[in-house]
Amino acid sequence: DGGITQSPKYLFRKEGQNVTLSCEQNLNHDAMYWYRQDPGQGLRLIYYSQIVNDFQKGDIAEGYSVSREKKESFPLTVTSAQKNPTAFYLCASSSGTEATNEKLFFGSGTQLSVL
Amino acid sequence: AQSVSQHNHHVILSEAASLELGCNYSYGGTVNLFWYVQYPGQHLQLLLKYFSGDPLVKGIKGFEAEFIKSKFSFNLRKPSVQWSDTAEYFCAVNARSGNTPLVFGKGTRLSVIA
Repeated sequence: DGGITQSPKYLFRKEGQNVTLSCEQNLNHDAMYWYRQDPGQGLRLIYYSQIVNDFQKGDIAEGYSVSREKKESFPLTVTSAQKNPTAFYLCASSSGTEATNEKLFFGSGTQLSVL
Repeated sequence: AQSVSQHNHHVILSEAASLELGCNYSYGGTVNLFWYVQYPGQHLQLLLKYFSGDPLVKGIKGFEAEFIKSKFSFNLRKPSVQWSDTAEYFCAVNARSGNTPLVFGKGTRLSVIA
């Protein structure tokens, strides 16, 4: 069953703690993305990666970090520097390094809340 | 950089009413345009997309959208909505040239009542 798997579905973070959200895809896609979804704000791009071992900052990268050591995996770390981390986080992927004409496939998301 | 404006935050319609959701983008170059839908409890999924050619594109479930270049618009339409169309709808754009990710609008929540 091909697709994008995000885990966990729900995650709670304590003050000052770093947490990592997992995103795995078995679609053999080159490009992967992290978006943050807040009510009334739509989806905002955090980081994206067009190819293994390379990634770029999106519009709201501050307080987040990523890695892309394997094609199928693109974990997102929410660091203690992110002061307002409570949100729904969506991972997506698309085929090819040219994202121009490719649709995005989305995971089911992770809801992160601060304790 | 591109930006996308969706004019309506929440739209409430009765079943069988016609739907039009507005979307305007800001970018000086050639773009690709998309509408995504998020049904309650489900993944975001592609509704339709425009790359080139006929500016009137048809998508799944009877939806269509028209690209009007002079107005920088890509409005979504459906002649007769159903209760099952209740969802959040997102317009998105990216530049045709270069490896640019999608930029999304803030979304429009559609509630269809019986």
